[in-house]
This record gives sequence, C-alpha cells and structure tokens, in this order.
Amino acid sequence: DVVMTQSPLSLPVTLGQPASISCRSSQSLVYSDGNTYLHWFQQRPGQAPRRLIYKVSDRDSGVPDRFSGSGSGTDFTLKISRVEAEDVGVYYCMQATHWPKTFGQGTKVEIK
Amino acid sequence: EVQLVESGGGLVQPGGSLRLSCAASGFTFSSNWMSWVRQAPGKGPEWVAHINEDGSAKYYVDSVKGRFTISRDNAKNSLYLQMNSLRADDTAVYYCARGHLSYWGQGTLVTVSS
Repeated sequence: DVVMTQSPLSLPVTLGQPASISCRSSQSLVYSDGNTYLHWFQQRPGQAPRRLIYKVSDRDSGVPDRFSGSGSGTDFTLKISRVEAEDVGVYYCMQATHWPKTFGQGTKVEIK
Repeated sequence: EVQLVESGGGLVQPGGSLRLSCAASGFTFSSNWMSWVRQAPGKGPEWVAHINEDGSAKYYVDSVKGRFTISRDNAKNSLYLQMNSLRADDTAVYYCARGHLSYWGQGTLVTVSS
C-alpha cells in the first residue's frame, strides 16, 4: 500500500499568519492518464471530513482562496495564506491513484 | 443540494452482522461511483470499499475482503454496506461518499463489543 506521511502532526498558528502542511507519498502519484490524484481534506471538531483540494491544486466549490495546494510526484503541500479561527481542525492528505486509497496521519491545526 | 444520509449503525457483538444504508439526493446517483470510508475513534479516515456506477466493479481494503459487501440500488438512489463477521477493530463511524470523496454524509456509528 502507498504510505502517506504528513508533517508536522501538530501545527500551532497565530491568527492571520500563514500555515503549511507537507505530505509525502511512498510512490509517485501520477496516474496512467497523466493526472495526479492527491486530495486534501479538512475535518473540523465533531464534523465529517470535507474535501478542500482535489488533484493537487484544484479548489473545491465554496473553499476560500486562502487555501492552496501544490506539488508533484511524491511531494505535496497545503498552504493557508492567513489562518482564521474557523480553520481549526485536522487536515488529511489522501492519494487515490493506487488501490487501496490511503490517507495521511493528519495534521492538527490549532490557534496559539 | 447534495445530501448523503447514512443509517443502520449500532451496537453489535463480535461475529455479528449489520447492514448500513446511504440515501443519496441532489445529484444523479446512477452516474457516480460511490465509496464507504470509516474512521475509528481518535484515528484518521480509512477508505473501505468502492463501487462503480452500475455496480459491476467493486473494490475493498484487504482488512474487510470476504466479510463486507458493497452494493447499490440506482432505482432507489441508495448505497449499502453489508458487514458480516464483525470484529472489535471494525468499530468506527462509517461514512458514505461520492466520487473522489467530494461529498460525505454525516456518518453512522458502528460499535462492535460484547
């Protein structure tokens, strides 16, 4: 199975400051169709996960533009340009290129 | 508005069975492949099973192969997960999700305990 490794696992951030989460995969996530199926999810306390970013850098409908995704191959990053209080939660990367689909361990974002 | 509503969770003894259902609305169900994803208490999500649009292709994570069966009824806009031979480590909130997990339900809790 493809192992997804996130860092850091805990990220205290000051309101209004940027935040960055790294996600590395044990294999390339480039699929045979040329797409890279690396997605990012946000899970607020007590809620179901919500997809923020799909295929590395495409933002889902309704997701604020302070969220952005980048990367290629095996190295990916989720950035929040200016953290707001509503961004508190756990963030997961997930690969859907290889079976089975696998998630990272999660990064807990909290306000300092 | 896309809605996914899971039901059927509960407390079951080890070795028992449960059938989860997911009622879908707000999109063309028959044109979307669907998944079940679970999340054990305090853990990250784990993808469990996936089914294509017409139900002809099904995939499972190794830990549930031979015990769980995913199915769908496009006439009823419904997704199902039949879970047999349940074990303590199957305890989790089970979510149904559309496509590349673009939409999730709120989940149903399955607790396997004696």
